[in-house]
Amino acid sequence: EVQLLQSGGGLVQPGGSLRLSCAASGFTFSNYAMNWVRQAPGKGPEWVSVINGGGDRIFYAASVKGRFTISRDNSKNTLSLQMNSLRAEDTATYYCAKDWGVYRFFDYWGQGTLVAVSS
Amino acid sequence: DTQMTQSPSTLSASVGDRVTITCRASQSINSWLAWYQQKPGKAPKLLIYKASSLESGVPSRFSGSGSGTEFTLTISSLQPDDFATYYCQQYNSNPWTFGPGTTVEIK
Repeated sequence: EVQLLQSGGGLVQPGGSLRLSCAASGFTFSNYAMNWVRQAPGKGPEWVSVINGGGDRIFYAASVKGRFTISRDNSKNTLSLQMNSLRAEDTATYYCAKDWGVYRFFDYWGQGTLVAVSS
Repeated sequence: DTQMTQSPSTLSASVGDRVTITCRASQSINSWLAWYQQKPGKAPKLLIYKASSLESGVPSRFSGSGSGTEFTLTISSLQPDDFATYYCQQYNSNPWTFGPGTTVEIK
């Protein structure tokens, strides 16, 4: 059974940093691209970042580029998102999500973790 | 960027009703469209991909159609478990974008 178990998140002041993690199991982690998707309260989801299976191809949404860093450790089946210079508009529930395969839609999601940026 | 819109934003319906949700893309996305269902406090759940392909385990009362810029999600006979918010997502091009959602409420 595929499972994505998230940790991290919480309340942080503007300009602060936070690190999210996602522990994967139930599939061959290194074979799949992994994503972070966020959802602000009452809004639709917003794709944030993707990293390919080998960890050498990465894309970011324009809204986070230069501030967020995605990474993965295939030896530990973990995905991470380092978030720096956080802003109020980064407040959202963050999900890790597995690519279905060749195409970029998402067949499994983590349980979500709330990131609140406020003074 | 490809902008996604959905209509209606809210839909009131009764158990047994046939329900149709529309999703439009700002440019052609061929058939590279997925639909998700989300319940409060939960992650989205994949229902349909490639506009009309049903994800494994999803009830056959869900169906999708369309190509290019206009797509529909149809629930043939609404069940109590179907009251939720539905999102479309295009995966034709980076950045991969979602619609704002359609909430199906109990009438």
